[in-house]
Amino acid sequence: SQQGEEDPQALSIQEGENATMNCSYKTSINNLQWYRQNSGRGLVHLILIRSNEREKHSGRLRVTLDTSKKSSSLLITASRAADTASYFCATVRNNNAGNMLTFGGGTRLMVKP
Amino acid sequence: SQTIHQWPATLVQPVGSPLSLECTVEGTSNPNLYWYRQAAGRGLQLLFYSVGIGQISSEVPQNLSASRPQDRQFILSSKKLLLSDSGFYLCAWSGTTPKAFFGQGTRLTVV
Repeated sequence: SQQGEEDPQALSIQEGENATMNCSYKTSINNLQWYRQNSGRGLVHLILIRSNEREKHSGRLRVTLDTSKKSSSLLITASRAADTASYFCATVRNNNAGNMLTFGGGTRLMVKP
Repeated sequence: SQTIHQWPATLVQPVGSPLSLECTVEGTSNPNLYWYRQAAGRGLQLLFYSVGIGQISSEVPQNLSASRPQDRQFILSSKKLLLSDSGFYLCAWSGTTPKAFFGQGTRLTVV
């Protein structure tokens, strides 16, 4: 079953606007990650936030984590047309078989020039 | 630096035919390896993962199997493809950190 669920499923904004995507998860986590996927390509890691962190920044990306609500958000500021992609949150299920990533359904972001 | 290769990029196969998708990783040793499937416009479903040669775990029962004959080689197979096996297949690896690195994917269409 999917551990993380993103919303909205799709988001369309104008270039220069901010884009906010949310992710909810069900079980306790050690960390939460966000990935980006261009259409028909593999996923690329964007940012990781640990369970003891509340906020993290990387360039135009800002991620927050609220473990009490089991939710995270990804904010892309000053969006560009090149930010058009699908964005996924992923949580790590630690077990004896390594760090297994479980992904949500993703948010499809379209940034209009 | 580490790289991951996955091929072929696209594949069209008839129902009932066999399947073999290959994934290799370079520049690292003893990686954790994963096969995911992605339906159109959807999230990723974990199919198989492996923490070492010959060690394969399956997440969901299905028509597919996986093998790891070498440390950095992960193969996804089927003896007889079904229409429902169509999808976008992604191989990934991770090391000592939880971050995963993905191949470019294989789009499989079963006709």
